[in-house]
Amino acid sequence: EVQLVQSGAEVKKPGESLKISCKGSGYSFTNYWIGWVRQMPGKGLDWMGIIYPGDSDTRYSPSFQGQVTISADKSISTAYLQWNSLKASDTAMYYCARRGSYWYFDLWGRGTLVTVSS
Amino acid sequence: QSVLTQPPSVSAAPGQKVTISCSGSNSNIGNNYVSWYQQLPGTAPKLLIYDNTERPSGIPDRFSGSKSGTSATLAITGLQTGDEADYYCGTWDSSLSAVVFGGGTKLTVL
Repeated sequence: EVQLVQSGAEVKKPGESLKISCKGSGYSFTNYWIGWVRQMPGKGLDWMGIIYPGDSDTRYSPSFQGQVTISADKSISTAYLQWNSLKASDTAMYYCARRGSYWYFDLWGRGTLVTVSS
Repeated sequence: QSVLTQPPSVSAAPGQKVTISCSGSNSNIGNNYVSWYQQLPGTAPKLLIYDNTERPSGIPDRFSGSKSGTSATLAITGLQTGDEADYYCGTWDSSLSAVVFGGGTKLTVL
């Protein structure tokens, strides 16, 4: 089955670090870009950035540049989204999604809920 | 404030047709392909339309997309209660060098 499996929900305190994951299976992981999308509670979709696991070429949305780090380990077909110092405003659902042949996303993970609270 | 503008909500009766608009500019919709996503309550978004008008396999032909100039439209015919969801448009913005989404439209099937 073609799918993206994301890591489980996280509860963190402000200032803590976090790395969440997205594992692809059922397709050639290295040949498709993987993007990350934030959805804050009750809000819409915000594109954060994207990575090509084949060579780790990474692009960031200007809104998220410097705020997060996107990486990938092609040997285990996994992409990551990382924070060095979480803020309460990082509380959101985070989705990974596979990019199709153009700027659309044809396969989505179920999401990882990140809650940041003191 | 989203780069792409969608109506916050639309509604229609079962069996009827509804359209959802998505307005942008030359830096996004005007010169790039548009995609549409359906997000059922409590679930991840799902691709409905890509490249303005194309449907992925498994998406019924009740869903259709169109684009004219700097606006795009999603049409849903033969509405069903199971179509109640949030719908988002998306595209690439060449000025921002970023994927941009509309603010989302909540569809209610009365």
